[in-house]
Parts: sequence; structure tokens; C-alpha cells
Amino acid sequence: DSGVTQTPKHLITATGQRVTLRCSPRSGDLSVYWYQQSLDQGLQFLIQYYNGEERAKGNILERFSAQQFPDLHSELNLSSLELGDSALYFCASSVSGRVTSSYNEQFFGPGTRLTVL
Amino acid sequence: AQKVTQAQTEISVVEKEDVTLDCVYETRDTTYYLFWYKQPPSGELVFLIRRNSFDEQNEISGRYSWNFQKSTSSFNFTITASQVVDSAVYFCALSEAYNTDKLIFGTGTRLQVFP
Repeated sequence: DSGVTQTPKHLITATGQRVTLRCSPRSGDLSVYWYQQSLDQGLQFLIQYYNGEERAKGNILERFSAQQFPDLHSELNLSSLELGDSALYFCASSVSGRVTSSYNEQFFGPGTRLTVL
Repeated sequence: AQKVTQAQTEISVVEKEDVTLDCVYETRDTTYYLFWYKQPPSGELVFLIRRNSFDEQNEISGRYSWNFQKSTSSFNFTITASQVVDSAVYFCALSEAYNTDKLIFGTGTRLQVFP
């Protein structure tokens, strides 16, 4: 158990709908990362938040947005869903946002499997 | 740009065979980090190893070993005496040294170990 929790575990919805995925980082971790694993795109970085602020952005669609709240949990909002958004969405957390060259270990949650019908 | 290439899409071996998973990376950074993760059929990502760019020493952990060669930009992973429980998708990943710890993953290699 990495200490990172994600809810829900599974989500089935229809095209055009909007969903919210939730992530609670490990206690003490300030950074949250979102990754998408799909058949088409593989495992790719979407976005990172550090202590409530966006730190890095990857190939995240405009229909997707994320935020990190004062209690450090994060939500990934996916709207106008398409069939191609079906994927496994991982959240990871690390202790900091990299202010030095030393690496901060990322701990991955179990993922949320989204199925768009 | 940073990129990780895992040319082997799928590998099948029989139990007790040795198997090597290849990983080639591209980066302009002089300081970076390389990783291997395992994704078993249950779906979670399991961290296996992290290697710094300035540490080219090979590493062995039980039946697992890693060969890091900066000259060829490769970070290969060998499983000795493979077991059925090693069946999984294995991902190689790269992280830049500054500003963010985001991971850039390769496309993964599916390893099937048959009894």
C-alpha cells in the first residue's frame, strides 16, 4: 500500500458526460501528479500540482482540468467525455515540488479505471 | 525533447529462462533519473529501481539486475531464472533533474512467463 488513495476505483459513464476523479496524497506529501494510461497513448503525464499551485503540465486536453485543495487532495475533472477517454488514471504524490536537483520519490495510487460508453 | 523507447512490445519465455528488457532514452539534460516499474495484471504500478545519471554502476537485486550505459543511452533490465509471477508489463521511465519530478514513460514491454 503506497498510502495514496484514489476514488472511485471504477467509473462507467456515457459520452458527453462529466466526471471527477479524486486523489488523496500520502500524509506529508505536497505534490500530486496525474497520469493517464490508455491503449492509444500509453502511460503519459497529464499535470502536476504542488501545494495548491500548478507546477507542470503535460499532454492534458482542454476538456480536462485539475486542482489541488488546501487539504492537499486533488481532483481531476474530465468533461465532454469521448470514447477515447477510456483509460486508467493514476495519481501519484511526492514530498515536494523539486526545488533542488535531488529526486523526490513518487508513490502511485491504485488508479481509477474510467470506461466511456 | 525527452523520450523513452522500449522496442520490445511483447516477450514470451519459459520459466527459468533469463530475459532482458531493453530501454533506450533521449534527453538533453546532463542530470536525470531513470526508473523501471512493473505493472502486474492487477493494474497497479510497482516501483522497481531508480538510477541517477551520474551513477553508472550496475545493480543487482535478487533475480533482477540493471545495466546502465550512458554511452549508448540504455538502461536494460534482466530477470534471471524467470518465474510465472514475473509476468507483467514493465515500464522504463525518465525524469528530468529540475523543476518537476514528472515521469516520462516508455510504451512498456509485456512479459509472459509460461510454466
